[in-house]
Amino acid sequence: GAGVSQSPRYKVAKRGQDVALRCDPISGHVSLFWYQQALGQGPEFLTYFQNEAQLDKSGLPSDRFFAERPEGSVSTLKIQRTQQEDSAVYLCASSPELAGVYEQYFGPGTRLTVT
Amino acid sequence: GNSVTQMEGPVTLSEEAFLTINCTYTATGYPSLFWYVQYPGEGLQLLLKATKADDKGSNKGFEATYRKETTSFHLEKGSVQVSDSAVYFCALRESSGGSNYKLTFGKGTLLTVNP
Repeated sequence: GAGVSQSPRYKVAKRGQDVALRCDPISGHVSLFWYQQALGQGPEFLTYFQNEAQLDKSGLPSDRFFAERPEGSVSTLKIQRTQQEDSAVYLCASSPELAGVYEQYFGPGTRLTVT
Repeated sequence: GNSVTQMEGPVTLSEEAFLTINCTYTATGYPSLFWYVQYPGEGLQLLLKATKADDKGSNKGFEATYRKETTSFHLEKGSVQVSDSAVYFCALRESSGGSNYKLTFGKGTLLTVNP
């Protein structure tokens, strides 16, 4: 079946522009996660949704970062006034239930380059 | 806080060589431990996991044993193939408490297997 998909796969933004990154989780998956992976580093947790509820946004690096999942399915990560330090791969993952029990399934990521 | 330390790469081996990638962790309580693999252009995939001390996770010829006394979860494979070339990430997840959905990753180890 279809896995987690993300779009766009690559995004180049000029410093100061706003960007929106989309995640389509596996159908029926309750939990959705966003991670940020800087070059040469492992992924770092950004935020967690259970259905449409954002239960944890403790990893968002600044108030320029905003995530939503209004209907409990597709999610969008928005970055306002992008900065060079925002350049990274943004990974989305979904899980069929509470992620404490089940595996997280990752998408291919969106590579954001801020110039 | 939680952290994962894995051996620096890159690691270059010849086909059929023995592989070890070291991973140690710091965590409160008894976390679950994971190895994820990332093939070029693809998302992270769960390779194997262990949820309690002395458990051995195994998949596709790879093995790792959860060693509580040394806080380690080293990845091994007896005979690597060219198709094993990828980036390998060690990760942990708390087994209880309010944040038991977050994965904490190491920096990743790039493995290249030459024919």
